Amino acid sequence: AQSVTQLGSHVSVSEGALVLLRCNYSSSVPPYLFWYVQYPNQGLQLLLKYTTGATLVKGINGFEAEFKKSETSFHLTKPSAHMSDAAEYFCAVSAVLGSARQLTFGSGTQLTVLP
Amino acid sequence: EPEVTQTPSHQVTQMGQEVILRCVPISNHLYFYWYRQILGQKVEFLVSFYNNEISEKSEIFDDQFSVERPDGSNFTLKIRSTKLEDSAMYFCASSNAPLRPEQYFGPGTRLTVT
Repeated sequence: AQSVTQLGSHVSVSEGALVLLRCNYSSSVPPYLFWYVQYPNQGLQLLLKYTTGATLVKGINGFEAEFKKSETSFHLTKPSAHMSDAAEYFCAVSAVLGSARQLTFGSGTQLTVLP
Repeated sequence: EPEVTQTPSHQVTQMGQEVILRCVPISNHLYFYWYRQILGQKVEFLVSFYNNEISEKSEIFDDQFSVERPDGSNFTLKIRSTKLEDSAMYFCASSNAPLRPEQYFGPGTRLTVT
């Protein structure tokens, strides 16, 4: 079985400051990992993904994440926060059951960007 | 850029009524999914669908739920007899798994059961 833990349900940063959203996963097989962003009253938008290969992955809007197998982590970072980054962020792990690969989500982290 | 679409955006229904939520996945995708998000809770997997049959389903997906691909473009979720606890945002997603496992989500249908 897979599970995802996101530390911190709410994170506040000042505009221009570093964004760090934490995600730890549990998986019995090599995982596929994803970050999604949800703006108010909208669907889930894929930010970035890790499947195989390079452990540092870059996504949209200047975000990146690093897969650390030894720490079972996939933390999301952005060097400089922008007001438009305010949203809820979800980390997800792909359960490799057959080939359909259902996603298991974390509880989400609400990011607030202060002016 | 191709995207997943869902209709309606908001559905209000009375307890015990049947509802059908509709989705149009991205056209060249082969795997289709339904997830739900109860207000303030996690996004939860309901069911995956491939080659005109269910691939996997969660324990949430009981006999009151069904899915169908009635034609070459639509993918539907039917709830036969809605309960108050079915009130949630329902998201459809599609992917080209296993080659490209990332899933693309629609904007969701907010279902309110009164």
